[in-house]
Amino acid sequence: DTGVSQDPRHKITKRGQNVTFRCDPISEHNRLYWYRQTLGQGPEFLTYFQNEAQLEKSRLLSDRFSAERPKGSFSTLEIQRTEQGDSAMYLCASSLGERDKYEQYFGPGTRLTVT
Amino acid sequence: QQPVQSPQAVILREGEDAVINCSSSKALYSVHWYRQKHGEAPVFLMILLKGGEQKGHEKISASFNEKKQQSSLYLTASQLSYSGTYFCGTEVYPGTYKYIFGTGTRLKVLA
Repeated sequence: DTGVSQDPRHKITKRGQNVTFRCDPISEHNRLYWYRQTLGQGPEFLTYFQNEAQLEKSRLLSDRFSAERPKGSFSTLEIQRTEQGDSAMYLCASSLGERDKYEQYFGPGTRLTVT
Repeated sequence: QQPVQSPQAVILREGEDAVINCSSSKALYSVHWYRQKHGEAPVFLMILLKGGEQKGHEKISASFNEKKQQSSLYLTASQLSYSGTYFCGTEVYPGTYKYIFGTGTRLKVLA
């Protein structure tokens, strides 16, 4: 257990439905990342926050994806009008901001299956 | 562009050594190494910063060659617990904290 939690751990949804995932980072970590991982591949960057500010969003992310981090604490990732290609593991990670301390601690992930 | 790792997969006997390479077509500013076991989240191993020293952690160490845009992970006297997939993560631009992960190396240690 790294101290980063994600909910739910598994989500099965029908194509076209909206889904929302939650990530609770380590409390003193000001940076929070979302990644997507498919079988056999490395984590693919989606977006990240410093405190409540969303600093960067991957160009791979369509307008159907949105993320928030209100008050710089937990974060949510919403996918609207899900497609089968969205099926993947969604990982959240958090880190401190100091250069020498910015290893990322990953949560257990949310596995999304779109049918 | 995604860093390329080599080898793609390796099988070792307990006690054997292994080297995993991570090569980028772009300048590297920092490199992270992670190990991921099947069905689990990646776990941080170490960071190498540009201009920094070779890092070591028990029997796992790593080097960072800025000129070659390459990092290598050294596993010495491998243990069964070393089995998993190893990923390098490279920082896209210095100070952005945005990382691109490599293609991965699957390592299996046999008794």
